[in-house]
Amino acid sequence: NAGVTQTPKFRVLKTGQSMTLLCAQDMNHEYMYWYRQDPGMGLRLIHYSVGEGTTAKGEVPDGYNVSRLKKQNFLLGLESAAPSQTSVYFCASSYGREKLFFGSGTQLSVL
Amino acid sequence: AQKITQTQPGMFVQEKEAVTLDCTYDTSDQSYGLFWYKQPSSGEMIFLIYQGSYDEQNATEGRYSLNFQKARKSANLVISASQLGDSAMYFCAMRETMIYNQGGKLIFGQGTELSVKP
Repeated sequence: NAGVTQTPKFRVLKTGQSMTLLCAQDMNHEYMYWYRQDPGMGLRLIHYSVGEGTTAKGEVPDGYNVSRLKKQNFLLGLESAAPSQTSVYFCASSYGREKLFFGSGTQLSVL
Repeated sequence: AQKITQTQPGMFVQEKEAVTLDCTYDTSDQSYGLFWYKQPSSGEMIFLIYQGSYDEQNATEGRYSLNFQKARKSANLVISASQLGDSAMYFCAMRETMIYNQGGKLIFGQGTELSVKP
């Protein structure tokens, strides 16, 4: 099993550009999450989904949008990237309230 | 509001010795879960151990144990017999809500960077 796969692994954007991060899981998990990791701040929840077709805001949702059209995929979009969105992004999934399984992360730099 | 605090930004330990990483939490919920994750320099997040708030015994997983003191709201990670491969960032996390249809979203502490010296 691949587990949780994130693409791309690295990306550099210019301010104002848009992009989509893709997360795919093959464990048939209902719940999926997007976190960002910044130095000294741990991981902070951006958006999450409790099932296909559902999304909800987390702690730091501004500037991001998400979609979950298929159960196995959770997309994170940046419509107009800002330097403050330079971060490492992690996708995760879980079966109910059990431990989260994380992807390997995406390093995003916004210049 | 629920909160996780890790007060040790960095720690050093001698190889083969035990080390304790501190974690305190704040919640008004009676039912919650506490997790520890390891993040090596390669960046992936590795689950280490879990403790439920109603678990009577402290959780153990191999060389990892969780020193759970409910009254003090602490959930410290103890690593016995440290190895060079234990050098990593360690995150304490708490399951934010017990409402079933809100999933298992976690809130994380700031992390502690552990360095194991040979």
